[in-house]
Amino acid sequence: NAGVTQTPKFRVLKTGQSMTLLCAQDMNHEYMYWYRQDPGMGLRLIHYSVGEGTTAKGEVPDGYNVSRLKKQNFLLGLESAAPSQTSVYFCASSLIGQGASGQPQHFGDGTRLSIL
Amino acid sequence: KNEVEQSPQNLTAQEGEFITINCSYSVGISALHWLQQHPGGGIVSLFMLSSGKKKHGRLIATINIQEKHSSLHITASHPRDSAVYICAVYSQGGSEKLVFGKGTKLTVNP
Repeated sequence: NAGVTQTPKFRVLKTGQSMTLLCAQDMNHEYMYWYRQDPGMGLRLIHYSVGEGTTAKGEVPDGYNVSRLKKQNFLLGLESAAPSQTSVYFCASSLIGQGASGQPQHFGDGTRLSIL
Repeated sequence: KNEVEQSPQNLTAQEGEFITINCSYSVGISALHWLQQHPGGGIVSLFMLSSGKKKHGRLIATINIQEKHSSLHITASHPRDSAVYICAVYSQGGSEKLVFGKGTKLTVNP
């Protein structure tokens, strides 16, 4: 049982290049999230999904796209990478979304992305 | 002002000391999450609570809903407790989204 797996773990891109980050979970969770973590700031939500085939914008969605074609996978795309997107990206999943249910979010190990 | 404020930002302790990390929030919440991020970067859920107190080993989390405040305590601290501790809240009203504090960096020296 791997939990939440992110690939790749590290990547360096040039400005203008595109790439896709993959998040996979094997816990049959409905909700999945993409965050970015920058120095001196808390984790910020980029996009999230409340189920297969659904996506929604978070706090900082500009420059990113997502897809949830399969329940277990949540893809984050950068169409034209910019230096401002240099960050550590975390994927998370939860059984259902609302905290009152007592269901925590489970996080992947992160993807360190540098845009030159 | 951030919706979730943590204090202190940095904390250095000697092995064996009792540690307290504080979290204050300005919105009504349905639940609060304490997370741990180790130097390697991975994030692990420690507690999720909406009232009272929870304990797991040497870790204790408390929450006071009326005062909009939570504390994370570590008893008999150890160098392996060195990490960033993050507080996050689910806003009331059925929000699916967590709002995160900036984290408290704890260093425990032997």
